[in-house]
Amino acid sequence: QVQLVQSGAEVKKPGASVKVSCKTSGYTFTGYYMHWVRQAPGQGLEWMGWINPKSGDTNYAQNFQGRVTMTRDTSISTAYMELSGLRSDDTAVYYCARRAGHMTGRSLGFDPWGQGTLVTVSS
Amino acid sequence: EIVLTQSPGTLSLSPGERATLSCRASQSVSASYLAWYQQKPGQAPRLLIYGASSRATGIPDRFSGSGSGTDFTLTITRLEPGDFAVYYCQQYGTSPTFGQGTRLEIK
Repeated sequence: QVQLVQSGAEVKKPGASVKVSCKTSGYTFTGYYMHWVRQAPGQGLEWMGWINPKSGDTNYAQNFQGRVTMTRDTSISTAYMELSGLRSDDTAVYYCARRAGHMTGRSLGFDPWGQGTLVTVSS
Repeated sequence: EIVLTQSPGTLSLSPGERATLSCRASQSVSASYLAWYQQKPGQAPRLLIYGASSRATGIPDRFSGSGSGTDFTLTITRLEPGDFAVYYCQQYGTSPTFGQGTRLEIK
């Protein structure tokens, strides 16, 4: 079955960077876009961007332009999201979520999702 | 950016009742790229509906989606205890956005 397993919780100081991994299994990694979404405590969902694992092309949400970098390692079917210049309001659970529907066809939403990685930014 | 506004913010119902959740978009959602997700505390969101009205794999037919353009609805019939959660709508076009969520709570 398709699985997305994320790296563990992180505690970072303001101004630092964090890199979250999303290891995939059960499908062809290079066939499906990977999205990243975050959720601040008690808040809603915020889309951060996507990466095309086949080409490495990315598309970042305007709110994160210049601070986020999404990469991938096709040899281990893993996607990464790095956020720099961390602030206290970056404290959130970060999710990877696979595009439902092969990249050659129509998108069918986001499915499945990783279990989430809590990133806490505190001095 | 397409802004999605969900209503109501909180919906209080009893098991066995019918829930109707609304999602309104600030501009037309292309090709009905509209999805609904369920999120329970401490869990990742789960895809329920895509393409405005198609159920995802394994989702019971008590869940149904409808609408087009700027107005969309998620209907849950015969509420079960496990249905009480937060529900988000999402448009998954070029730059996806989410609604702020509707909390479905037990009355």
